[in-house]
Amino acid sequence: AQSVTQLDSQVPVFEEAPVELRCNYSSSVSVYLFWYVQYPNQGLQLLLKYLSGSTLVKGINGFEAEFNKSQTSFHLRKPSVHISDTAEYFCAVFPGSGNTGKLIFGQGTTLQVKP
Amino acid sequence: EAEVAQSPRYKITEKSQAVAFWCDPISGHATLYWYRQILGQGPELLVQFQDESVVDDSQLPKDRFSAERLKGVDSTLKIQPAELGDSAMYLCASSLAAVEQYFGPGTRLTVT
Repeated sequence: AQSVTQLDSQVPVFEEAPVELRCNYSSSVSVYLFWYVQYPNQGLQLLLKYLSGSTLVKGINGFEAEFNKSQTSFHLRKPSVHISDTAEYFCAVFPGSGNTGKLIFGQGTTLQVKP
Repeated sequence: EAEVAQSPRYKITEKSQAVAFWCDPISGHATLYWYRQILGQGPELLVQFQDESVVDDSQLPKDRFSAERLKGVDSTLKIQPAELGDSAMYLCASSLAAVEQYFGPGTRLTVT
């Protein structure tokens, strides 16, 4: 069975500083990996995804993530954050074989950007 | 840009009452999902439809929850009777290919 661990429940950071949100997963099969963002009382918006190919994935709003198969990690990074990046971020995995299976989410990381 | 629609956005109900949520997926998306997100946690799948058929409802509390997608388009999730522990965000998502799912804005349920 797959599982996802987001290593930090809250990450406070000052505006224009870099940030990394950490995600580790466990799976006995190959997986697809996702990062979603959720603003207060809103649904989830896809930031980026890894399906195959290059391990460095670029997404919307200046975010990027790197897939590391040996460390089973998919950390999210941004070189310079804005106040508007304050939100909840979720890492998720989906089994990579076929169309069966379901999206498994981590517990979320709250990114708090301070002025 | 096409979006998943959900209504209502907010619902307050009393314990033991019935409540229903509606979801209209992106046009052409055959797969529809209902998730429950408890405050401070990630979403968990309640039920997955492929067209009008249920593919996975293993985590749906069937004694009080029901879901239908009669014509394979929009869907309704019902809770009867509601309990205090049902307070959560209920998210609907749809997909063309199962991997990439698009989420609606959610319905915030408060049970008093």
